[in-house]
Amino acid sequence: DADVTQTPRNRITKTGKRIMLECSQTKGHDRMYWYRQDPGLGLRLIYYSFDVKDINKGEISDGYSVSRQAQAKFSLSLESAIPNQTALYFCATSDSVGPGVGEKLFFGSGTQLSVL
Amino acid sequence: AQSVTQLDSQVPVFEEAPVELRCNYSSSVSVYLFWYVQYPNQGLQLLLKYLSGSTLVKGINGFEAEFNKSQTSFHLRKPSVHISDTAEYFCAVRGGTGGFKTIFGAGTRLFVKA
Repeated sequence: DADVTQTPRNRITKTGKRIMLECSQTKGHDRMYWYRQDPGLGLRLIYYSFDVKDINKGEISDGYSVSRQAQAKFSLSLESAIPNQTALYFCATSDSVGPGVGEKLFFGSGTQLSVL
Repeated sequence: AQSVTQLDSQVPVFEEAPVELRCNYSSSVSVYLFWYVQYPNQGLQLLLKYLSGSTLVKGINGFEAEFNKSQTSFHLRKPSVHISDTAEYFCAVRGGTGGFKTIFGAGTRLFVKA
């Protein structure tokens, strides 16, 4: 089984609909992240969470919200989807144990979201 | 703000030829540097990382990268590529003005031809 699991793998929705993307991990990591990938732009950070009570905005948080339901679960919501939110979304976790320590990210397989 | 520039969006190369994927970052302070690889229809996985010490870092699948502080570069190399190396490669940086966040470059698509 995958260590970082994202559901769904693919989703097509219409403008204005509310969408939730889910992420769960079995790695026991405290830190979780949501990125979106667009061709030619690489990965951009949407939100990140360093523990259950800690939620932080990333570079492009407008139009998104998140919920950290448990150490292992971190969901991303689009309250009212718009076409320019069509992208590949990745959840990631990390094993950093403190500031100044190098940090490897573990990624899920991604969710391809299309907003029509 | 912290930034990462991957100088080539696409690199076509013949099988068994050497390849270099270029990466420059902006920071005047110490950072941690990474290369990730994304195979088709998969998530990213770590290829190698530089935290400190030797400036030549060896990773998986025969890849290596050299950290050059004076040129703020972290170029990825492989002496002989295989068809299976066809993928997208991302350079990333953590630390400096970016703090705890990992900042990614735009990616370089490596296409290995037979």
